[in-house]
Amino acid sequence: EVQLVESGGGLVQPGGSLRLSCVTSGFIFSYYYMGWVRQAPGKGLEWVANIKADGGETFYVDSVRGRFTISRDNAKNTLYLQMNSLRAEDTALYYCVRYVRGNNYYFDYWGQGTVATVSS
Amino acid sequence: DIQLTQSPSFLSASVGDRVTITCRASQGISGHLAWYQQKPGKAPKLLIYGTSTLQSGVPSGFSGSGSGTDFTLTISSLQPEDFATYYCLQFKSYPLTSGGGTKVEIE
Repeated sequence: EVQLVESGGGLVQPGGSLRLSCVTSGFIFSYYYMGWVRQAPGKGLEWVANIKADGGETFYVDSVRGRFTISRDNAKNTLYLQMNSLRAEDTALYYCVRYVRGNNYYFDYWGQGTVATVSS
Repeated sequence: DIQLTQSPSFLSASVGDRVTITCRASQGISGHLAWYQQKPGKAPKLLIYGTSTLQSGVPSGFSGSGSGTDFTLTISSLQPEDFATYYCLQFKSYPLTSGGGTKVEIE
């Protein structure tokens, strides 16, 4: 059974940092691109970042580029999101997602999410 | 960036109704569109990918269609468990983008 379990969220002041983790199981982690998608309270879905299976390439939405860093440890089956210089508008539920790329492209599995709240 | 415009944003319907949700892209996305269902307090669930391929385990009452810039999610006969919010997402190019969502509520 595929599982994605996020952690690391919390309350942080503007300008602060958080590191989110996503521990995975039930599939060969090193075979898949992975990503993060966030959802602000009462709002829709916003893709944040993706990373190639080998970690060799990363992709970001403009609003977080230069502040957030996605990374992975394939030996630990774990995905990370380092979030620096946090702003109030980064407050959201952050989902870890598995990204399928082949004839079609889609996020097939989602974690339960971890909440990051940026407030003074 | 590719913008996705979903409509309607809110839909009131009854059990047994046929429901159609549309998603229009600001440019062609080569069919790289997926639909997700989200219930309150839960993570989104994949329903359809590649415009029309039903994800394993998803009831056959859900279907997707479209091409170019115009895509549709259809629920053939609305069931009580189908009341939720639905999102389209495009995977043609970065940044990946989502429609604003369609909340389906009981009439």
